[in-house]
Amino acid sequence: QSVLTQPPSVSGAPGQRVTISCTGTSSNIGAGYDVHWYQQIPGTAPKLLIYGNTNRPSGVPDRFSGSKSGTSASLAITGLQAEDEADYYCQSYDSGLRVFGGGTRLTVL
Amino acid sequence: EVQLVESGGGLVQPGGSLKLSCVGAGFGFSGSNMHWVRQAPGKGLEWVGRIRSIANNYATSYAASMKGRFTISRDDSKNTAYLQMDSLKIDDTAVYYCTRYSTSWYAFDIWGQGTLVTVSS
Repeated sequence: QSVLTQPPSVSGAPGQRVTISCTGTSSNIGAGYDVHWYQQIPGTAPKLLIYGNTNRPSGVPDRFSGSKSGTSASLAITGLQAEDEADYYCQSYDSGLRVFGGGTRLTVL
Repeated sequence: EVQLVESGGGLVQPGGSLKLSCVGAGFGFSGSNMHWVRQAPGKGLEWVGRIRSIANNYATSYAASMKGRFTISRDDSKNTAYLQMDSLKIDDTAVYYCTRYSTSWYAFDIWGQGTLVTVSS
């Protein structure tokens, strides 16, 4: 059982907008620690998608955006494309350790 | 080219040991904090542990389930981090990734391709 809770799956049609939630507690996200998001295409290594709650590394399309409020964070993807089909993980910090969400599989219909 | 390359995975019996290596290139390895993350087949990402740079005395930290069995070390002269795994259990079967922790972004910004460790009799 993961410290951070994500929905197992989400789906959307090309061009649509989807959001993925990441729910924590007062000892991690609620304590003010940053949330980061990673994209993992099956069979490949994770890739940093969003850092520091809202920031995109160079090369990440602005279709991807992050937000954080209270004990939760969200990843939004607009203008959904077939290449966005992947697993998405949130990550934060808790009691001296790095913690991940259980992951969300995004299916592009 | 910025990259991390893991090696050393393979098949090991329960109770056995294995040592993984992670070679970095194209970035300041010696000044970087290095972490290990694993992923069991069909499962999510799980943080294993980390080793800080010499500036922080090579301090290590581990996830509770690995503490006492796993040891992370590094050799900056070889741009290499290691994960020594002892008393391996079937549940340790996973792809093991090394990753660089960015002290600018406070996130894992460089990942290796992973190496598969299978614990089975």
